[in-house]
Amino acid sequence: GQNIDQPTEMTATEGAIVQINCTYQTSGFNGLFWYQQHAGEAPTFLSYNVLDGLEEKGRFSSFLSRSKGYSYLLLKELQMKDSASYLCAVSSGNTGKLIFGQGTTLQVKP
Amino acid sequence: EAQVTQNPRYLITVTGKKLTVTCSQNMNHEYMSWYRQDPGLGLRQIYYSMNVEVTDKGDVPEGYKVSRKEKRNFPLILESPSPNQTSLYFCASSSGQGYNSPLHFGNGTRLTVT
Repeated sequence: GQNIDQPTEMTATEGAIVQINCTYQTSGFNGLFWYQQHAGEAPTFLSYNVLDGLEEKGRFSSFLSRSKGYSYLLLKELQMKDSASYLCAVSSGNTGKLIFGQGTTLQVKP
Repeated sequence: EAQVTQNPRYLITVTGKKLTVTCSQNMNHEYMSWYRQDPGLGLRQIYYSMNVEVTDKGDVPEGYKVSRKEKRNFPLILESPSPNQTSLYFCASSSGQGYNSPLHFGNGTRLTVT
């Protein structure tokens, strides 16, 4: 079966760097997504990794290691508005199924 | 403006009373999907559709129906709602096949079944 694990909660300080990890077990891996979800709102797309390595997009970067079943989302220069849940999602096979982790709630403190 | 529109945003109903949550996208996306979000369980896929007249079960399809008669619309139907279907529901669409391009989410429908 498929399984995705993320830490439930994290706390970091404004201006700092935080790394949110995601480990997964799946067959027929197609790609891994990261989404951001503010409380009471819809998830919004942050990044997509299909090959090993680091994808950088402004203050946010995402890393993937397919052999280890591991990804992380790196947030730099944290701002208060980065307080949100971060969802890791894995697609496997060409079926259109997408499995989400439970999400990591990040609290940024002044 | 490119968007996914869900209605209603909030719905309170009673057990057994059939309801439909509508979802429409204006981006000409082939892929559409329904999720429910519950505390501690994350987003779970209910049904998805990779094209018109093509629908498939996700991980939690029991108690739900969908249809895809036109590309833009993907309604979620609860024939006989029960309290365990109280949840936050999201519709989403994608330009790819769901596994290789980002999802665009609607604003959600908070359903309470008493």
